[in-house]
Amino acid sequence: NAGVTQTPKFRILKIGQSMTLQCTQDMNHNYMYWYRQDPGMGLKLIYYSVGAGITDKGEVPNGYNVSRSTTEDFPLRLELAAPSQTSVYFCASRTRDRGSGANVLTFGAGSRLTVL
Amino acid sequence: EDKVVQSPLSLVVHEGDTVTLNCSYEVTNFRSLLWYKQEKKAPTFLFMLTSSGIEKKSGRLSSILDKKELFSILNITATQTGDSAIYLCAVEEQGGSEKLVFGKGTKLTVNP
Repeated sequence: NAGVTQTPKFRILKIGQSMTLQCTQDMNHNYMYWYRQDPGMGLKLIYYSVGAGITDKGEVPNGYNVSRSTTEDFPLRLELAAPSQTSVYFCASRTRDRGSGANVLTFGAGSRLTVL
Repeated sequence: EDKVVQSPLSLVVHEGDTVTLNCSYEVTNFRSLLWYKQEKKAPTFLFMLTSSGIEKKSGRLSSILDKKELFSILNITATQTGDSAIYLCAVEEQGGSEKLVFGKGTKLTVNP
C-alpha cells in the first residue's frame, strides 16, 4: 500500500524560481490537503480539495496554487519562490471514521523546501 | 489567535518517567480531537476523541477528552527513548468545515 506519496523529498530553490510539489494517493480519497510546517509552528493549512475539480484556500494560501484534475493527484505550485516559503510541506488525504463521522488524515512523508 | 493550544511546548524527561501533554481548544462546533505523533517524518495517527470522559488507550499511551472544559490530555507511562517525538493535537469542527486545526505541538525528548 503506497498511501500518500510526495515528491521531491528535498529541493533548494533560488528566489523567484517556480516549482511544483507532487502528491498522489492510491486510496481513492476525495479529500486532500496541503500543509506547511515551520519550526515550532505546528501545521498550517495552505489549500485543500474535496474532490476532483474542487479546491479551496486554507489559512496560508498566498504564494501558492493548486489543481485537482484527478482524484489521485493534488499538486502544489509555487510560482515565485520567496525565502518565507522555506518550510516542510506535507500532503494528506482524509478518511472518515464510520462510527463517529470524524476525519482522520493520512500524511505523506513530507517535502523539505529551502529558498535561498 | 490560536484555536488549539498545546502545553508544554517542550519537555525533557528520563526513561521510565510518566508524562502528561495538554491540549486546549476553542471551537464553536466541536466534532473531534485527534492526537498525532511526529518523529522524523510525517505525523502518524494516535487517537481520535469525540466524547467526554471516555479514555482511549494504546499500550503505554492513553488520552481523554473533557468537552466541558475544552481540553484533552495525552498520557505516556514508563516512557522510552522511542517516545521522543513531537506530539500534535488537532481539532475538527462540525458544520461543513473540512479542515483540521493543529496546535503547535509538544516536543518530547526522553533521555536514557
